[in-house]
Amino acid sequence: GQQLNQSPQSMFIQEGEDVSMNCTSSSIFNTWLWYKQDPGEGPVLLIALYKAGELTSNGRLTAQFGITRKDSFLNISASIPSDVGIYFCAGLPSSGSARQLTFGSGTQLTVLP
Amino acid sequence: KAGVTQTPRYLIKTRGQQVTLSCSPISGHRSVSWYQQTPGQGLQFLFEYFSETQRNKGNFPGRFSGRQFSNSRSEMNVSTLELGDSALYLCASSTRHRGASTDTQYFGPGTRLTVL
Repeated sequence: GQQLNQSPQSMFIQEGEDVSMNCTSSSIFNTWLWYKQDPGEGPVLLIALYKAGELTSNGRLTAQFGITRKDSFLNISASIPSDVGIYFCAGLPSSGSARQLTFGSGTQLTVLP
Repeated sequence: KAGVTQTPRYLIKTRGQQVTLSCSPISGHRSVSWYQQTPGQGLQFLFEYFSETQRNKGNFPGRFSGRQFSNSRSEMNVSTLELGDSALYLCASSTRHRGASTDTQYFGPGTRLTVL
């Protein structure tokens, strides 16, 4: 089945630093989504990408839909303590009517003061 | 606009029992998908309901079932609970526009199920 490889698995950074994480897939996706999840809560949508090559920003967050449709990255600039959490990429496939999201394994972000 | 709501938030059951979880989607959203999240397996798709019909199903045993009502609210049922069913169960809603190949899913806070 489809798999998403998300890296890095975890990151420890200083407050104020920039962060970059990415996801790659073995197959093509029509949509890439980036979510953040706090402990005990559901994932919260950060950015949605719908077109290959699309670059979208949401405040200090920027994400891109790879040109090959098989990858995406998320950048966080000038990190702050509330950025702590687990970041997931998720993709919706391009084939058929399948609507299920395939998730990456997550990037645990820790921001040190 | 209110977000996706799930009830209950926490549940403790014993092996062999059954459980029903509820999800109310965002107003106007007609598709509800269910996911299981565990530390070992991550987020895995269970099934999707749209217009009261199951449209997609993940690779889970038949003990996991669901349904959707005419108001788009959805329930998920797990019968004959096993220890391995302990997880955070998440539902997500989307508009699922006809003919659209893109869609965005918004998640609820989840139901934490513990099986003893």
